[in-house]
Amino acid sequence: SQELEQSPQSLIVQEGKNLTINCTSSKTLYGLYWYKQKYGEGLIFLMMLQKGGEEKSHEKITAKLDEKKQQSSLHITASQPSHAGIYLCGAGTGYSTLTFGKGTMLLVSP
Amino acid sequence: SQTIHQWPATLVQPVGSPLSLECTVEGTSNPNLYWYRQAAGRGLQLLFYSVGIGQISSEVPQNLSASRPQDRQFILSSKKLLLSDSGFYLCAWNPQGPYGYTFGSGTRLTVV
Repeated sequence: SQELEQSPQSLIVQEGKNLTINCTSSKTLYGLYWYKQKYGEGLIFLMMLQKGGEEKSHEKITAKLDEKKQQSSLHITASQPSHAGIYLCGAGTGYSTLTFGKGTMLLVSP
Repeated sequence: SQTIHQWPATLVQPVGSPLSLECTVEGTSNPNLYWYRQAAGRGLQLLFYSVGIGQISSEVPQNLSASRPQDRQFILSSKKLLLSDSGFYLCAWNPQGPYGYTFGSGTRLTVV
């Protein structure tokens, strides 16, 4: 079965600093999803990457997919308190099912 | 518009008691529906998914069951809860195909 490993597990950054979260798959990635979750709430869809080399941006968040490395990265520029939360990557495994990494908890300090 | 409803938001149940969590979707038809559980340190675990009425696939054998009595209704049940059933349960749906999920707001279940 496919496994997704996220790093780091947790991250504390000062407001205004940049950060990167990585997601590495044990198998070939055919599509990679990024979600954000605030504690005790549902997941909010951020971006989906489908092709190797694809890069997408939404506001100050950029995600890239490196098919050769079976890896995706999520980069936040000039972090803000609103960026705090748990970031999860997900990948397709079968009939429209997704498997997820364990998540990266981001805290942004003032 | 398409929305997903999940309730209750919080539930505290004694060991051995039954469980019923409900999820409904509006604004779409024949969605794929999913139940996930999120436990501390274990990430999101897919429990069940359904591609149509009465069709349930189980990913992990355990103390839980799922049913889909109507097209847009997905129910997670247990006859007798265990302490290990505690966690954050999330319902999700997507149209037929691999394009992203929409998640409900979740149910925090604590078995005591």
